[in-house]
Amino acid sequence: DAMVIQNPRYQVTQFGKPVTLSCSQTLNHNVMYWYQQKSSQAPKLLFHYYDKDFNNEADTPDNFQSRRPNTSFCFLDIRSPGLGDAAMYLCATSRDVRNGYTFGSGTRLTVV
Amino acid sequence: KQEVTQIPAALSVPEGENLVLNCSFTDSAIYNLQWFRQDPGKGLTSLLLIQSSQREQTSGRLNASLDKSSGRSTLYIAASQPGDSATYLCAVSNTGNQFYFGTGTSLTVIP
Repeated sequence: DAMVIQNPRYQVTQFGKPVTLSCSQTLNHNVMYWYQQKSSQAPKLLFHYYDKDFNNEADTPDNFQSRRPNTSFCFLDIRSPGLGDAAMYLCATSRDVRNGYTFGSGTRLTVV
Repeated sequence: KQEVTQIPAALSVPEGENLVLNCSFTDSAIYNLQWFRQDPGKGLTSLLLIQSSQREQTSGRLNASLDKSSGRSTLYIAASQPGDSATYLCAVSNTGNQFYFGTGTSLTVIP
């Protein structure tokens, strides 16, 4: 089945140690998104790619970076994770906004 | 900026009841609205997508309505089951490639 796959499902990292989360899709969608969701909160958009065009939200900390080497893959890099970065990180794809989102299962990040 | 509100934040109902979840948004110039389900510690599963030109969408026991002019959507769940227990989020899209999410309604269906 065509889908959005996030790896790993659970990630534990040390305070300040760089970590990379990955997302892949078999839907051939143009747009890929990264959301951060903390407990009992709405998902918060960090950035998105429309094809190779990168769009950063104004309030996304510089500590968060992203790469999209090809249509299928998108990575979220956290350069120096802090305790406040512990959250669920959700990847989503869309052909375009008119067609709605498809989400992956998420990566739960714990910072120790 | 679009703001999305979901009321109530939490809801408990006995099994078998019909129920309605509410979603309101401040900017009625939307492309579409999407309802999601989220189980604890999991990602989001799409339930229904309503385009701005549509009034409702149905899938099984779920029916979502959209009143764009008043900035409201409802998700109706018929004959609720314990397996329906989850958090339900609505999201709306305006211009640009972004959805705006509400904070969700946590539903518990009691056997």
